[in-house]
Amino acid sequence: AQSVAQPEDQVNVAEGNPLTVKCTYSVSGNPYLFWYVQYPNRGLQFLLKYITGDNLVKGSYGFEAEFNKSQTSFHLKKPSALVSDSALYFCAVRDKGTDKLIFGTGTRLQVFP
Amino acid sequence: DAGITQSPRYKITETGRQVTLMCHQTWSHSYMFWYRQDLGHGLRLIYYSAAADITDKGEVPDGYVVSRSKTENFPLTLESATRSQTSVYFCATRGAVSYEQYFGPGTRLTVT
Repeated sequence: AQSVAQPEDQVNVAEGNPLTVKCTYSVSGNPYLFWYVQYPNRGLQFLLKYITGDNLVKGSYGFEAEFNKSQTSFHLKKPSALVSDSALYFCAVRDKGTDKLIFGTGTRLQVFP
Repeated sequence: DAGITQSPRYKITETGRQVTLMCHQTWSHSYMFWYRQDLGHGLRLIYYSAAADITDKGEVPDGYVVSRSKTENFPLTLESATRSQTSVYFCATRGAVSYEQYFGPGTRLTVT
């Protein structure tokens, strides 16, 4: 079965420092991977996706993600964190059998001034 | 962006009552989804629809009913609400050829 794992419930980082939010996946074949962000009392917002091509994917708000096939990972990164980046981040993978998205349990990012 | 809206945004109801949550989209996207979000579980798919008059069960469909007579609307009905259905409900859409989903603002439902 297809799945994603977000091993960290929370990530803390100081403003201005680089941030990484981790995601690993388990799929058969080539994965379709996604990152979403959720601000308080809001719906999820699409950040970026990897379907094929360059392993480094750039998305909204300065975020990027690196696809690593050998490590089955798709970590979200940003070179310099902002306090306004504090939110809940979800990784997701497309289930090819059903064409649905399977979400991780989320990682709360806290950026401190 | 008012492409996808949900109503009501907040609802309190009693156990045993029927409740309908509304979802409306203006993009004419083929696919629509209903999720519930609970602490520790992330998002779990309740039902989805690939087109008008086509619906299918997701991961946690028990106690819920959906319909999709028009492309733009995808209501979710709790036939007899239970406390375990207290949750935040999100509707989402997706185009026919893209895989990313776009989410509504959510409905916070409390069943007392």
